[in-house]
Amino acid sequence: DAMVIQNPRYQVTQFGKPVTLSCSQTLNHNVMYWYQQKSSQAPKLLFHYYDKDFNNEADTPDNFQSRRPNTSFCFLDIRSPGLGDAAMYLCATSRDNRAEQYFGPGTRLTVT
Amino acid sequence: AQKVTQAQTEISVVEKEDVTLDCVYETRDTTYYLFWYKQPPSGELVFLIRRNSFDEQNEISGRYSWNFQKSTSSFNFTITASQVVDSAVYFCALSEKGGSEKLVFGKGMKLTVNP
Repeated sequence: DAMVIQNPRYQVTQFGKPVTLSCSQTLNHNVMYWYQQKSSQAPKLLFHYYDKDFNNEADTPDNFQSRRPNTSFCFLDIRSPGLGDAAMYLCATSRDNRAEQYFGPGTRLTVT
Repeated sequence: AQKVTQAQTEISVVEKEDVTLDCVYETRDTTYYLFWYKQPPSGELVFLIRRNSFDEQNEISGRYSWNFQKSTSSFNFTITASQVVDSAVYFCALSEKGGSEKLVFGKGMKLTVNP
């Protein structure tokens, strides 16, 4: 059974048109993460939530925002997608900040 | 600063061969965690193992084994009798101070197992 679910798996958006990616988890984990992964590169952490505490990476563009309305759900909002934002976006969860992270299948974003 | 180096970018083997994936890390902390993840073509990163810096015992899980050596700052991963389903990109990762809030990944190594 899927534990970290991401919808949609594939998303196409237009240049400059806001888009939201969603992630949900059935693990009841405290921490949720969003990563960006471009082709043939390692995942890059954008931000994470520890419960309701939001932690932004210093080099994450302002164009990227996140919301976590409850334990199970976390959203990634891209306010004005550029062509350079086309990538795989991976959501992950962990029980706490000492535990291993479990990843969802990712959402592949295309910007036209 | 922490850093993870996976010197091999791509390896191709024939089924049933053994293959070792190298990982070398740098950290100034005495407390840290090391991880291996597998990313098959479907895209999902699959957790394989976590090892803390105080546990140098090697681990075996089926066809997978891991060799952690602090003296050489290495955490190598061996697949014995490889299978086509092992074809994937494998990432080694490090987090410092016992917390996994920030994983630093290596660049990944693409393994292709041919029938």
